Amino acid sequence: GQNIDQPTEMTATEGAIVQINCTYQTSGFNGLFWYQQHAGEAPTFLSYNVLDGLEEKGRFSSFLSRSKGYSYLLLKELQMKDSASYLCAAMDSNYQLIWGAGTKLIIKP
Amino acid sequence: IAGITQAPTSQILAAGRRMTLRCTQDMRHNAMYWYRQDLGLGLRLIHYSNTAGTTGKGEVPDGYSVSRANTDDFPLTLASAVPSQTSVYFCASSATSGRGTDTQYFGPGTRLTVL
Repeated sequence: GQNIDQPTEMTATEGAIVQINCTYQTSGFNGLFWYQQHAGEAPTFLSYNVLDGLEEKGRFSSFLSRSKGYSYLLLKELQMKDSASYLCAAMDSNYQLIWGAGTKLIIKP
Repeated sequence: IAGITQAPTSQILAAGRRMTLRCTQDMRHNAMYWYRQDLGLGLRLIHYSNTAGTTGKGEVPDGYSVSRANTDDFPLTLASAVPSQTSVYFCASSATSGRGTDTQYFGPGTRLTVL
């Protein structure tokens, strides 16, 4: 079956760095997406990886290892506004997104 | 430019009633999607449409129907609502389907409670 695993909740300190991991198993693979979702709001796109390696975009970076079925989202210089859920989603062979349950990130001052 | 709008924002519905959730996008995107989001679970695809005039079933289609008469609108209908359909419903769209780079953009969601 198809499956996405990510931690349910993480806590980090303002100004620090946090890494949110995601492992995936899909029928075929056409890329890995990360979305941010603030409480009560819609998911918003953060990043897309289809090749192995690190993609950097400001304070956020995303890494992919296709051979390991593994990705992570790295958030640097954490700000209070980064408190949100982070959703990992893998695109399968039919170009459908398979979603993880999300990681709730709590930022403490 | 509004992007994607959904209506209503929230609704309380008696079991057995019929309900249509509306979704409209102004980005001229070909593909549209309906998801439900429940606590502790990932977004689950209900139905999708790759282009106007076509629809397909997702992971959890039972009890729901959709239509895609034009590019902009993609309504979701619950023919006879049941309490297990209590959820937050998100509509999304992407420029095309069938490409890995097809980023999906989400509407603000409809919070539905079925009693």
